[in-house]
Amino acid sequence: EAGVTQFPSHSVIEKGQTVTLRCDPISGHDNLYWYRRVMGKEIKFLLHFVKESKQDESGMPNNRFLAERTGGTYSTLKVQPAELEDSGVYFCASSQGGGQVKGEQFFGPGTRLTVL
Amino acid sequence: AQSVTQLGSHVSVSEGALVLLRCNYSSSVPPYLFWYVQYPNQGLQLLLKYTTGATLVKGINGFEAEFKKSETSFHLTKPSAHMSDAAEYFCAVSSYNQGGKLIFGQGTELSVK
Repeated sequence: EAGVTQFPSHSVIEKGQTVTLRCDPISGHDNLYWYRRVMGKEIKFLLHFVKESKQDESGMPNNRFLAERTGGTYSTLKVQPAELEDSGVYFCASSQGGGQVKGEQFFGPGTRLTVL
Repeated sequence: AQSVTQLGSHVSVSEGALVLLRCNYSSSVPPYLFWYVQYPNQGLQLLLKYTTGATLVKGINGFEAEFKKSETSFHLTKPSAHMSDAAEYFCAVSSYNQGGKLIFGQGTELSVK
């Protein structure tokens, strides 16, 4: 069974540009989470999808970040326009539906975003 | 609100020595507690979790943790370190009303020499 995959693994962009990160969760997982780790800081929650619906987006930093989950399958996280402080590692995780609060979240390897 | 504090951003042990990684949490509701490990260039992998029931939890690779409510702690231990245990370890908290959202500590990098 394939794990959670993320693309790209690394992205280097200029301030003001747009970047789109993609996450493919484990097949059949209804829950999809995005997290971010800024260098030297803790991993922070960004948002949670249940299927195609945003369940909780309380961690999204500002309106430059837009997340979508097409048809309840893969998800994209777009940053437009990117700022220096957006640099960090973006993790995606997925878990099965039903009782997800106790369920294991399976994490992808992350996308390392560098904004110059 | 929930929070996690991991004491020590770097811990170094000798091979064969006891591993002790400290985690303290804050939660106004009964917590769910997790330890994740991240090896270089890989995603986070669940080591163990506590939700309810037995307070001593055993995980993969010989790790275990004990939930101590009175001390608000969930320290991770392993009796004998192996070189392959070198990685970054994250403690996280959630609860029934958080929809699965994990609140992480800052991580502890474990070196084994």
